[in-house]
Amino acid sequence: NAGVTQTPKFQVLKTGQSMTLQCAQDMNHNSMYWYRQDPGMGLRLIYYSASEGTTDKGEVPNGYNVSRLNKREFSLRLESAAPSQTSVYFCASSEALVSSGNTIYFGEGSWLTVV
Amino acid sequence: GEDVEQSLFLSVREGDSSVINCTYTDSSSTYLYWYKQEPGAGLQLLTYIFSNMDMKQDQRLTVLLNKKDKHLSLRIADTQTGDSAIYFCAEGTGANNLFFGTGTRLTVIP
Repeated sequence: NAGVTQTPKFQVLKTGQSMTLQCAQDMNHNSMYWYRQDPGMGLRLIYYSASEGTTDKGEVPNGYNVSRLNKREFSLRLESAAPSQTSVYFCASSEALVSSGNTIYFGEGSWLTVV
Repeated sequence: GEDVEQSLFLSVREGDSSVINCTYTDSSSTYLYWYKQEPGAGLQLLTYIFSNMDMKQDQRLTVLLNKKDKHLSLRIADTQTGDSAIYFCAEGTGANNLFFGTGTRLTVIP
């Protein structure tokens, strides 16, 4: 049972470099999410995609872009990485939006360090 | 935005009960969740409770909700060393998001 798979698991970037975090889910879920986790701050939503073809900003979207490539895949791009983007990034998916009472399933996380 | 608060640390002896507490501010919360995060892993959904319920029991887990005080708790009976992890509460509101607490690190002492 793969569930939500994200790559890479670890990455070190220099300030100003760009990179894309990839995410895929095999549960046929409609909604997908990108969160970041920082010490002492819990998880914060960066962007989400309610369904294929749509994306919306979450709490902390600045410095990021996303693409919902198809129903399975949702990527997160850092165009010009900054040290403040050093964090653990989690991709997640749910059958439909949480406002309808659907639960979210998480990937294992991507540890990103920007130096 | 919504504010979800938890204490950061809890230590218990193996075999005792653990109680992890959470307070939230949004009275329109529809669902409240408990997630478990083991080291180096993602968040695993443990259980959830709908806001019109007071209690939910699932094997060793008991969730209590006091909607008037906006207080949620997770009780783990007969705590084992495998329960050592970070536990997050989260609230789901009418928005398309879950708001997470900072997490409580549970340490089980053998």
